[in-house]
Amino acid sequence: GQQLNQSPQSMFIQEGEDVSMNCTSSSIFNTWLWYKQEPGEGPVLLIALYKAGELTSNGRLTAQFGITRKDSFLNISASIPSDVGIYFCAGQKAGGTSYGKLTFGQGTILTVHP
Amino acid sequence: ETGVTQTPRHLVMGMTNKKSLKCEQHLGHNAMYWYKQSAKKPLELMFVYNFKEQTENNSVPSRFSPECPNSSHLFLHLHTLQPEDSALYLCASSPTWSGGSSYNEQFFGPGTRLTVL
Repeated sequence: GQQLNQSPQSMFIQEGEDVSMNCTSSSIFNTWLWYKQEPGEGPVLLIALYKAGELTSNGRLTAQFGITRKDSFLNISASIPSDVGIYFCAGQKAGGTSYGKLTFGQGTILTVHP
Repeated sequence: ETGVTQTPRHLVMGMTNKKSLKCEQHLGHNAMYWYKQSAKKPLELMFVYNFKEQTENNSVPSRFSPECPNSSHLFLHLHTLQPEDSALYLCASSPTWSGGSSYNEQFFGPGTRLTVL
């Protein structure tokens, strides 16, 4: 099936540092989503992107929909301990048969040291 | 409060047992989903329902049987499972895709942690 390559797999950073992670695909997507999952919980939607080149912010989080429609990145500025968790990208391919079918990346495990 | 609840949160069952997972959404959505999340693997879509009708079965073994009696409730009936079926089972909901672009914004419940002995 379709795969998304998400990197890095894990990050260990100091509080206050900026974080960047990305997802790439060999196929074109018409939607990119970024989720965060904390232990014992389901993923929580952070940002949704619908247009190539779109840059969207949610507080200290910024995500962009790549121009080629094959990639997306997420930046977190001035990290804090509560940013700890697993961040997932998800995308939906264009096409009438793809409704409701999200493909997820493998996740980036973020650890923030105080 | 995510608006999507799942029960039970934890379930341990033997391979010969029959059990059911329940999901309920209070967001007014019309599409619901079951996902499987295993360690070190991406989330795997299992089933999709739109207005109570199943629109996707992602080659899921028949020992998993979904049921969607209405747009707010989704069940996953389990029988004769295998140890490799142990995972976190996540339910999600979204607006339907009959119009607009927000249908991809899926909201997840907390999941049921299933252990098959």
